[in-house]
Parts: sequence; structure tokens; C-alpha cells
Amino acid sequence: KAGVTQTPRYLIKTRGQQVTLSCSPISGHRSVSWYQQTPGQGLQFLFEYFSETQRNKGNFPGRFSGRQFSNSRSEMNVSTLELGDSALYLCASSLATPNEKLFFGSGTQLSVL
Amino acid sequence: AQSVTQLDSQVPVFEEAPVELRCNYSSSVSVYLFWYVQYPNQGLQLLLKYLSGSTLVKGINGFEAEFNKSQTSFHLRKPSVHISDTAEYFCAVSEGDSGGGADGLTFGKGTHLIIQP
Repeated sequence: KAGVTQTPRYLIKTRGQQVTLSCSPISGHRSVSWYQQTPGQGLQFLFEYFSETQRNKGNFPGRFSGRQFSNSRSEMNVSTLELGDSALYLCASSLATPNEKLFFGSGTQLSVL
Repeated sequence: AQSVTQLDSQVPVFEEAPVELRCNYSSSVSVYLFWYVQYPNQGLQLLLKYLSGSTLVKGINGFEAEFNKSQTSFHLRKPSVHISDTAEYFCAVSEGDSGGGADGLTFGKGTHLIIQP
């Protein structure tokens, strides 16, 4: 069974641009969560999707958004990038809820210059 | 709101020695507790989790953790570490049975376990 796939692996953007990250969950998993990981703040919850609906959202500004498609694949978008958005963005999937075993992808490393 | 504190940012240990990584949490409701491990340049993997039942939880790679409700702790232990255990370890909490656990996991800042030969 293929694991969680995140693309691209690395991204370099400049301030003010926008970016879209993609996540393909494990087949059969319907819950997809997104986390931001930085050395200073650690892992912070962005949002979680289940059956194409955002079920919960962390404490991030509206520049951060996401969506989930009918095949459970998910994308997250960050608009008007700031230097502080530089981070490793991790996607995780589970069968139905994050309280089950979360399977993480290797992440997308975003650098904002 | 819940929070997690991992008191040690780094823990150096000699190979084959025992190790304990500390985790304390705060929450106003019942919780589910997790330990995840992150190897360099990889995503996180679940080591073990506590949802209910026995307070001593055994996980993969010889790790175990004990849930202590009175001390609000969930410390991770291994009796004998190996060089391959070098990694970042994250404790996480979510509020128990909150309509499907959809509040997301709250992670601690992580503890870097350094195994010295």
C-alpha cells in the first residue's frame, strides 16, 4: 500500500507570491490533516478535512486555506507569502479521525525569500 | 484548550542505557495521548498511543509509556537504546471523544534523543 505522498518535496517562493501544496492520502483514508513544522514553534495544526469538508481549523490567518477532493486528495494554499511562512508542511491521513493512527507524508519544505 | 510540555529539548544517552523522555499535558477534559517519532528528513511515525484501559502502553521498537492522570504525564521509556533510536520524539494530545476527535492533535516541541556510542 502506498504511503502518504506530498508534492512537491521542495519549493522556493518570494514574498507576496502564493503557493499550492498537494497531498495524496493512503488509499481508503478519508481524513487528511495539515501541520506546519518550524524550529521555533514546532508542529502546529493547520486544518483537517473529512469527506471534502473542513472539520476543524487551527489558529492560522485566512491566508492559509485548503480543500479536499472526492478522492480524498487534499491541497493547501498559502496566499501573499511572508518570510515567516518558511516551514516544513506535513500532511497526515487516517481512516476517519486523527485519534486513530496518523500516517504522515515526508512533507513539503517551503522557503520564502 | 490543551497543551503539551516536553521539558527536555535534547537528551543524550549512551548506547544500551535506559532512557525516559518526559511529557506533561494540560487539558480540562479527558484526553488521548500519543508519542510520534521523526527520523531525519522523514515524516512522523506513531510509536504508541493511549486511548483508554491499561495505563501502561507498549509500542513499536521496544518503547513503552505510562499514563499518569494525577500527574498529567505520559513519559516515554525504553530499557536499552540503540544507535538507530536517534531521532526527534514528539508527545501529542487530543481531547477524548470530542465528536470524532476532529480537534487536531496538539504536539509538544519535541525532544531530540541523541545516542552516543
